[in-house]
Amino acid sequence: GAGVSQSPSNKVTEKGKDVELRCDPISGHTALYWYRQSLGQGLEFLIYFQGNSAPDKSGLPSDRFSAERTGGSVSTLTIQRTQQEDSAVYLCASSLMASGNNEQFFGPGTRLTVL
Amino acid sequence: GENVEQHPSTLSVQEGDSAVIKCTYSDSASNYFPWYKQELGKRPQLIIDIRSNVGEKKDQRIAVTLNKTAKHFSLHITETQPEDSAVYFCAASYNGQNFVFGPGTRLSVLP
Repeated sequence: GAGVSQSPSNKVTEKGKDVELRCDPISGHTALYWYRQSLGQGLEFLIYFQGNSAPDKSGLPSDRFSAERTGGSVSTLTIQRTQQEDSAVYLCASSLMASGNNEQFFGPGTRLTVL
Repeated sequence: GENVEQHPSTLSVQEGDSAVIKCTYSDSASNYFPWYKQELGKRPQLIIDIRSNVGEKKDQRIAVTLNKTAKHFSLHITETQPEDSAVYFCAASYNGQNFVFGPGTRLSVLP
């Protein structure tokens, strides 16, 4: 079946502009995660959605970052007034979260470059 | 909150030798510990995971051990091959919620 997809694959923007990154999780997966990976670095947790519960936003680095998940499926990560330090690969992952199945499946990522 | 440390940051081994990567975690409530392999320019992929009710798990050349008392877990790769070269990340989670990843280990398998 289809895996996690993300769009766009690459995004170049100017400092100060807003960007929206999209994630389509695997159908039926109730959990969705956003991470940020800077070049040569590890995965930095940003936000976690589980079903209809309030999202865990504890990883969002500033109030310029927000995310929503409509209808329990597609998610959008929005970065307002982008800064050069926002440049990174943004990875989305989803998980079934049923019967203790916690395996995360990652999307291909969106490479964001802020000029 | 949870904190995960990982060592070494880089590791070079000769083809056929074993490789061991170690991680420690701080939150005793964490009960799920996956390992991911990330090849250059690609997405992380799960290679093995372990839950807190198990001390060891093996899948062909890959094994993971967990010491709950000491709060550390390790990845063991035997008979390493060039295609094992990648960055490996450990992570800790409580019931698949907020995952905290280690900083990664760059493994190079030399032919």
